[in-house]
Amino acid sequence: GAGVSQTPSNKVTEKGKYVELRCDPISGHTALYWYRQSLGQGPEFLIYFQGTGAADDSGLPNDRFFAVRPEGSVSTLKIQRTERGDSAVYLCASSPSRSSTDTQYFGPGTRLTVL
Amino acid sequence: DAKTTQPPSMDCAEGRAANLPCNHSTISGNEYVYWYRQIHSQGPQYIIHGLKNNETNEMASLIITEDRKSSTLILPHATLRDTAVYYCIVSSGGSNYKLTFGKGTLLTVNP
Repeated sequence: GAGVSQTPSNKVTEKGKYVELRCDPISGHTALYWYRQSLGQGPEFLIYFQGTGAADDSGLPNDRFFAVRPEGSVSTLKIQRTERGDSAVYLCASSPSRSSTDTQYFGPGTRLTVL
Repeated sequence: DAKTTQPPSMDCAEGRAANLPCNHSTISGNEYVYWYRQIHSQGPQYIIHGLKNNETNEMASLIITEDRKSSTLILPHATLRDTAVYYCIVSSGGSNYKLTFGKGTLLTVNP
């Protein structure tokens, strides 16, 4: 079946611009996660959705970052006034629920480059 | 969540077993041990997880010591496609959604 998909696969933008990154989770998965991975590092948690609501956004680095999931399926990560330090791979994952042992299924990521 | 320690890199010959160690000496009773791997330019992929008992699936085996302070992921017959960064993660039931990835172990499988 279809896995988690993310678009675009690559995004190049200029400092100060606004960007949106999209995540399509596996159909029927209620839990959705965003992570960010800088070069040479493991992924870092950003935000977690259970259904339409953000259950935990403690990993968002500052108020320039915002994410939505209005219908409990597709999610969009929005970054305002991008900075060069925002350059990273942004990963999305989904799981069937928030069970303690649910596997997280990751998408291929969006590589964001801020010039 | 407890922290984990992994060697930064390991090598393995194709066809041989790859044994990847992980120390998690501060693990608490309700925390699971998860293993994910990340092949270059792809998202992480779940491999296996366990609480106390050894576990086996089609990809790998997970051996957890009796005191639960360390574990070993075993790939029984490594192939070139198993070359990846392997992450050992300890996560509690309450906050398991926050997978805390370290730097992992880069496993290189050589022909």
